[in-house]
Amino acid sequence: DVKVTQSSRYLVKRTGEKVFLECVQDMDHENMFWYRQDPGLGLRLIYFSYDVKMKEKGDIPEGYSVSREKKERFSLILESASTNQTSMYLCASSSPLAWPYEQYFGPGTRLTVT
Amino acid sequence: DAKTTQPPSMDCAEGRAANLPCNHSTISGNEYVYWYRQIHSQGPQYIIHGLKNNETNEMASLIITEDRKSSTLILPHATLRDTAVYYCIVRVGALGGATNKLIFGTGTLLAVQP
Repeated sequence: DVKVTQSSRYLVKRTGEKVFLECVQDMDHENMFWYRQDPGLGLRLIYFSYDVKMKEKGDIPEGYSVSREKKERFSLILESASTNQTSMYLCASSSPLAWPYEQYFGPGTRLTVT
Repeated sequence: DAKTTQPPSMDCAEGRAANLPCNHSTISGNEYVYWYRQIHSQGPQYIIHGLKNNETNEMASLIITEDRKSSTLILPHATLRDTAVYYCIVRVGALGGATNKLIFGTGTLLAVQP
């Protein structure tokens, strides 16, 4: 079974802190994604990566950065956390070589910024 | 913006078929219809996809109208464990990072009643 794991299920941080959210997948997938999920807004794509050290902005990249130094790991970084970044963060992975390119999601990290 | 329209919520009796509708009137010829679901406190999970023919797998059936402007996901014998938010997504079936994105709307909350 494909497994996507996220470093924490729940996280509480203070405004202005630098926050790292880690995601690891074990299926050798090329593509990895970070979404945030807020009530009434559904899932929104923050960043995605289609190869090591490669990244592209999603729909809401402001206030976030990412790092992908190894194929299996994709990190989301909040340089200076703000209260409007309180949200559920979901990581996903997929392979462009495996039709139908389904995305496998981790369990999510619920981040609260106080 | 999501390119699909779904009802916000539906109820279904346990053991009965659940029929979840989705409108995608602006779908292009090269776009597929995907369905995912998200059980509470978990990440989304792929269910099924289709282009223009009806599809069936071990989880569900997908019926796409001839003009492809709408579709219906059918869970033939709903159980309490099928209570979840169901997302209908249209996406091109091409390779590459940019076209591998999923655009989630707010989905349909299916509540299976005992």
